[in-house]
Amino acid sequence: DTAVSQTPKYLVTQMGNDKSIKCEQNLGHDTMYWYKQDSKKFLKIMFSYNNKELIINETVPNRFSPKSPDKAHLNLHINSLELGDSAVYFCASSYRTSEQYFGPGTRLTVT
Amino acid sequence: DAKTTQPTSMDCAEGRAANLPCNHSTISGNEYVYWYRQIHSQGPQYIIHGLKNNETNEMASLIITEDRKSSTLILPHATLRDTAVYYCIVRVLYGQNFVFGPGTRLSVLP
Repeated sequence: DTAVSQTPKYLVTQMGNDKSIKCEQNLGHDTMYWYKQDSKKFLKIMFSYNNKELIINETVPNRFSPKSPDKAHLNLHINSLELGDSAVYFCASSYRTSEQYFGPGTRLTVT
Repeated sequence: DAKTTQPTSMDCAEGRAANLPCNHSTISGNEYVYWYRQIHSQGPQYIIHGLKNNETNEMASLIITEDRKSSTLILPHATLRDTAVYYCIVRVLYGQNFVFGPGTRLSVLP
């Protein structure tokens, strides 16, 4: 069984479009995260949710809006996509804020 | 959280032990050392963490020096599937997030 899953795995879209990435975890964790890994391979935290409440919101454009309908899901919606949004986006989860378990990633390409 | 320094890359022969060093000279008393790895095109994978005692699990061993200013991750019998970028991260146990540096690119050679 997949512990942390993301859909879609690949996403190709044009500038200006709005898209969503979904994340689900079946580990019973109470904290979920979104990370962005750019072309230089640096992995940076974007958001963190604990029990459906936002606890970290790094310097991210407000075009990015996370939504957590329940503890097992954390979706990422991106409005007005730009070329610079092209990256791999990883979802992760943890119990409280102990070690994190990552999903397989979503490779977003904006053309 | 304290900063870590790791070599950019290392090679290891298949079947031999891979020893990956990490310096964290500014580590504070309540900060743990965590290790993750990222195999190409996959999400980061948790390996192990420790405070001051050496730790071992089914994946690896973590050796932390007595002054806690450095540590070594040991993969006892490296396989080709261990080729990955290995990240050493220092953080309090229930800190907010992990800060990933550039890591060490380990290449296991046949």
